[in-house]
Amino acid sequence: SSELTQDPAVSVALGQTVRITCQGDSLRSYYASWYQQKPGQAPVLVIYGKNNRPSGIPDRFSGSSSGNTASLTITGAQAEDEADYYCNSRDSSGNHLLYVFGTGTKVTVL
Amino acid sequence: EVQLVQSGAEVKKPGESLKISCKGSGYSFTSYWIGWVRQMPGKGLEWMGIIYPGDSDTRYSPSFQGQVTISADKSISTAYLQWSSLKASDTAMYYCVRIHDYGDYNWFDPWGQGTLVTVSS
Repeated sequence: SSELTQDPAVSVALGQTVRITCQGDSLRSYYASWYQQKPGQAPVLVIYGKNNRPSGIPDRFSGSSSGNTASLTITGAQAEDEADYYCNSRDSSGNHLLYVFGTGTKVTVL
Repeated sequence: EVQLVQSGAEVKKPGESLKISCKGSGYSFTSYWIGWVRQMPGKGLEWMGIIYPGDSDTRYSPSFQGQVTISADKSISTAYLQWSSLKASDTAMYYCVRIHDYGDYNWFDPWGQGTLVTVSS
């Protein structure tokens, strides 16, 4: 099956910008979606499609994509953005209508 | 409000069977695929499989094929995940999600609150 690789952890100073990347062959064919998971909570959708935010997600979250890499950028990180972030896309290895998650990135806000 | 509400936490012994549920509300339950996601303690998210409640078309991730059964009862807008013989390694949080899939882009929203399954002798 396809794989999506993320850096295990990144840190960002309060108010600064952080980019989280997700690499995988399936991203050449499919857009990634991104999920934020805080400790003890279910994941929450933050970005989908080319660069779409669900209602209620702050505009400091944005998404982009190039080649086999998708990125989630937090511009002006806040303390409440400290969480695990996962990317996801369709599995492009031939498994119809199945999906794959990235390995996850833990974001620490300093 | 669109919601997925899952059944409560379970504590089981190895070898026992289990069926957990996910009830949808606020939308046409038969019009969207529902997926199941596993998260083992301290680990990442893993796709298990999906079901289309409209016709019960079901697909499994190769890692979970034969290990679990996904089903749905559209008359009560509920999807299920079941095990016939639990193992300690099935201890995890399990989430259901509503899937939006439109060709080259897809997303999962909302997520259920999760069902914690603990398997221990």
